[in-house]
Amino acid sequence: GENVEQHPSTLSVQEGDSAVIKCTYSDSASNYFPWYKQELGKRPQLIIDIRSNVGEKKDQRIAVTLNKTAKHFSLHITETQPEDSAVYFCAATMNSGGSNYKLTFGKGTLLTVNP
Amino acid sequence: DTAVSQTPKYLVTQMGNDKSIKCEQNLGHDTMYWYKQDSKKFLKIMFSYNNKELIINETVPNRFSPKSPDKAHLNLHINSLELGDSAVYFCASSPHGRGASYEQYFGPGTRLTVT
Repeated sequence: GENVEQHPSTLSVQEGDSAVIKCTYSDSASNYFPWYKQELGKRPQLIIDIRSNVGEKKDQRIAVTLNKTAKHFSLHITETQPEDSAVYFCAATMNSGGSNYKLTFGKGTLLTVNP
Repeated sequence: DTAVSQTPKYLVTQMGNDKSIKCEQNLGHDTMYWYKQDSKKFLKIMFSYNNKELIINETVPNRFSPKSPDKAHLNLHINSLELGDSAVYFCASSPHGRGASYEQYFGPGTRLTVT
């Protein structure tokens, strides 16, 4: 089955700096890679995702890059703000176009943005 | 107008008891999931149902039994609760069909504490 490794487990940055979280996956058939943000005591929420036919995707201050050859993908947050502080999870799955699929999550990165 | 709701939000019970958690979604999704998030924040899928049919059944003790009376509801019953069952349980749902978003929408979670 799929195995997703995520680094670092904790990341502390100053407000305004950039943050990068990296993930690797094991199953070359995986084709969908979402990132979820979970604030303390809240539910995980999708912030950005990328499919394997795309190398990079950007949404305002967040971006995700995918290297299929190396089987790794990264989340980039620029101009970090205190409200970006949360646990971030990467995930991977092989989705053939159906509705149900099994997301394998990384172990999470606790991002702290210091004002 | 809550998309995915769970009851109860908190559940404190003693070892050996049987308890249930309920989940409902009003998004019209065909697929629903149960995840377990342990004390280290690791998110792991337990079950998935598509239109009331069990699709994913991970290596979960058979003390855990999901039930889907209709595609908008997915309940989780746990028999003979053990200390190690203490965790946050998240329900999620996802849309169906080609062209649909792959996003999984999570409920608010149920924090189960077994004493």
